[in-house]
Amino acid sequence: GIQVEQSPPDLILQEGANSTLRCNFSDSVNNLQWFHQNPWGQLINLFYIPSGTKQNGRLSATTVATERYSLLYISSSQTTDSGVYFCAVVVISGSRLTFGEGTQLTVNP
Amino acid sequence: DVKVTQSSRYLVKRTGEKVFLECVQDMDHENMFWYRQDPGLGLRLIYFSYDVKMKEKGDIPEGYSVSREKKERFSLILESASTNQTSMYLCASRPRVAYGYTFGSGTRLTVV
Repeated sequence: GIQVEQSPPDLILQEGANSTLRCNFSDSVNNLQWFHQNPWGQLINLFYIPSGTKQNGRLSATTVATERYSLLYISSSQTTDSGVYFCAVVVISGSRLTFGEGTQLTVNP
Repeated sequence: DVKVTQSSRYLVKRTGEKVFLECVQDMDHENMFWYRQDPGLGLRLIYFSYDVKMKEKGDIPEGYSVSREKKERFSLILESASTNQTSMYLCASRPRVAYGYTFGSGTRLTVV
């Protein structure tokens, strides 16, 4: 099956810092999403981005499908950004969402 | 916005009980999914459904069954709950055409 690798596994920032999270995947995909899992366990959809670039406030994401990676940018981080960030993909021939192992982000005040 | 509602946020059940986890979506999505999430094991697909009365096994279907009698509702059934089914359960839905998944808020199930 497809492999989804996220880096770094852990990230600690001071409030106000910027960060970049990376997702590499091993096969062609027709769906790529970035999620934020909050402390209560809910998965919040940040971006649906199988290709191209999108921005939403302090967050932006870029997927280069031909090179099989995606990046999530967080600018001016806030303590509420803390949590686990997941990348998840669906291969072109399939329908199952496969998750990476996540990046645990901690933003300190 | 699509809303996916899971009936319970926290649930405690006894070993051997039959447990129903309910999931309802309000956007007429064809596809619905059940995942469980465990520390160190990530999110794993249990079952999914393409349409009413349709179901497909995911990666870890053992000990579970599902029911989809109406398009908006997808139920996960633990026929005889065991302690190794203590986990966070997440439901998701997605329209037929290529688009993003929407997840519910999750159910933390503890089997004692």
